[in-house]
Amino acid sequence: QKEVEQDPGPLSVPEGAIVSLNCTYSNSAFQYFMWYRQYSRKGPELLMYTYSSGNKEDGRFTAQVDKSSKYISLFIRDSQPSDSATYLCALRNSGNTPLVFGKGTRLSVIA
Amino acid sequence: DSGVTQTPKHLITATGQRVTLRCSPRSGDLSVYWYQQSLDQGLQFLIQYYNGEERAKGNILERFSAQQFPDLHSELNLSSLELGDSALYFCASSGSWGERTEAFFGQGTRLTVV
Repeated sequence: QKEVEQDPGPLSVPEGAIVSLNCTYSNSAFQYFMWYRQYSRKGPELLMYTYSSGNKEDGRFTAQVDKSSKYISLFIRDSQPSDSATYLCALRNSGNTPLVFGKGTRLSVIA
Repeated sequence: DSGVTQTPKHLITATGQRVTLRCSPRSGDLSVYWYQQSLDQGLQFLIQYYNGEERAKGNILERFSAQQFPDLHSELNLSSLELGDSALYFCASSGSWGERTEAFFGQGTRLTVV
């Protein structure tokens, strides 16, 4: 079983839709949870960063962490064509350990 | 702009050759991480340096090595290159213990081995 599982998609949605992206993980030692956006194999851009369980909202983005289920989610409201990218979840044990990435979900938002 | 600088952006070289990739971390960040991303693959962790010392090792081949210098920039050396080493190589940096620990990535070096 891989440490982090993420459906690679592709996921195609109409403009304005709510998008739900998810990762599951097996290592209960993960404490820090991140979502990155990557355009056309450019450098990953940090979108959301959360510690332990709970929700965090930033504009149109909401990150959720459920440690009991080992499940993390990223919701994108009012999706835009500019949101079309690959979304990567990343997890780490502590503040200064390597990030373990999911394989990424490719999202297309159609105008 | 993430504040992490990688050079060169593109590199084309022949099999058997050796190349050096360079990374300058964000100002004040002591940790540097190197990742490899092959076509249609996720980001694979290679190695981490913290304040000049190797901190963690991932799936790094013996032909690859890295170091972090006193000014905190890091170099990844790839030798005896093979076609399969063609990939994007990213570095990331993050703050030291107890500080904000988000990791920010550079724009990567695209390596093509021919």
